Amino acid sequence: NAGVTQTPKFRVLKTGQSMTLLCAQDMNHEYMYWYRQDPGMGLRLIHYSVGEGTTAKGEVPDGYNVSRLKKQNFLLGLESAAPSQTSVYFCASRPLRELYNEQFFGPGTRLTVL
Amino acid sequence: RKEVEQDPGPFNVPEGATVAFNCTYSNSASQSFFWYRQDCRKEPKLLMSVYSSGNEDGRFTAQLNRASQYISLLIRDSKLSDSATYLCVVNYPNSGYALNFGKGTSLLVTP
Repeated sequence: NAGVTQTPKFRVLKTGQSMTLLCAQDMNHEYMYWYRQDPGMGLRLIHYSVGEGTTAKGEVPDGYNVSRLKKQNFLLGLESAAPSQTSVYFCASRPLRELYNEQFFGPGTRLTVL
Repeated sequence: RKEVEQDPGPFNVPEGATVAFNCTYSNSASQSFFWYRQDCRKEPKLLMSVYSSGNEDGRFTAQLNRASQYISLLIRDSKLSDSATYLCVVNYPNSGYALNFGKGTSLLVTP
């Protein structure tokens, strides 16, 4: 099993460009999440999904859109990138079970917006 | 104000030392609690879940006090390989078990 994979690993964008980050998991997990991590800020929740076809906003959703068309994939879109979106983006997934189940994280996408 | 607060450190300790990390959380509706470990420029990985009765995993002991909304992690007999950032984590209530992270406490274990 590959676990959680993220594409791309690195990207540099110019202000105003758009891009999509792809998260894929092969563990048949129901729940998927997008977080961003900035220096000194810890990880913050952007959007999450509790199942195929469903998405919900997290703590910092502005400037991002998401889609979960297939259970194994969770896409994060930036329609018009801004320098404030320079960050490391982590995707995670977890199974549909009880309270203490572990979230499994992908290796991250390092995005720089100039 | 962040909902999950940790001392940022850094904590510099010699090998073999005992080190304790503290964390407070503000949302009393949170129901699940964790310590994650993050190595430099890597993804977070679960170190241990934290239960109300307290729990131990080898050299690591976690405690939870729900009345005072306080979580702790004790590392005994520190190893060089324990050097990392330790993240205190609680769940966002009613948000699909999404996680609310503290900023992390940096630990450096020296020879």
